[in-house]
Amino acid sequence: DAGVTQSPTHLIKTRGQQVTLRCSPKSGHDTVSWYQQALGQGPQFIFQYYEEEERQRGNFPDRFSGHQFPNYSSELNVNALLLGDSALYLCASSLVGSYEQYFGPGTRLTVT
Amino acid sequence: AQTVTQSQPEMSVQEAETVTLSCTYDTSENNYYLFWYKQPPSRQMILVIRQEAYKQQNATENRFSVNFQKAAKSFSLKISDSQLGDTAMYFCAPTGNMLTFGGGTRLMVKP
Repeated sequence: DAGVTQSPTHLIKTRGQQVTLRCSPKSGHDTVSWYQQALGQGPQFIFQYYEEEERQRGNFPDRFSGHQFPNYSSELNVNALLLGDSALYLCASSLVGSYEQYFGPGTRLTVT
Repeated sequence: AQTVTQSQPEMSVQEAETVTLSCTYDTSENNYYLFWYKQPPSRQMILVIRQEAYKQQNATENRFSVNFQKAAKSFSLKISDSQLGDTAMYFCAPTGNMLTFGGGTRLMVKP
């Protein structure tokens, strides 16, 4: 049973560029959430997708956008990258109605 | 909105001993769950234990148990017989519609 997978593992971008991160949920899960984890801090909720629509959003600017595909996989897009966007980006999947989320290994984004 | 406070940034414990990690939270939700997650240096977030807020009985998973005080909004994690593999960051996370994480406690288990 495949768990949550994320790609790429690491990524280095320059300020002002755009980036796309990808996530495949755990088998049987239909809901994907994205989190940003700055170094030494707890994860911060970005948004959650279900049925290809954004259900909830945390306190993140519109530069952060996402998408969910019919196979439940998801993408996180960040435009106009800032140095402060450097972080570990975690994807978590769950089954709608369940509070329990399973996390992927994360993508480490470095903005220079 | 939910807020979560983990007041112990770092803790250490000797192998085989018991340690308790503290967490307090504030929420306006009526129906919610509480979780403890572990994040080892490999950075994979791993679910340690869950507690349904409507249940009075404290959850237990092998060496891990919680002390849930709903009125006080307190949710501490006790690790018994600590093992070297327990070395990690531990995050408390109450949830309604989304997980809200505390700042974490870095636990070091010493041989």
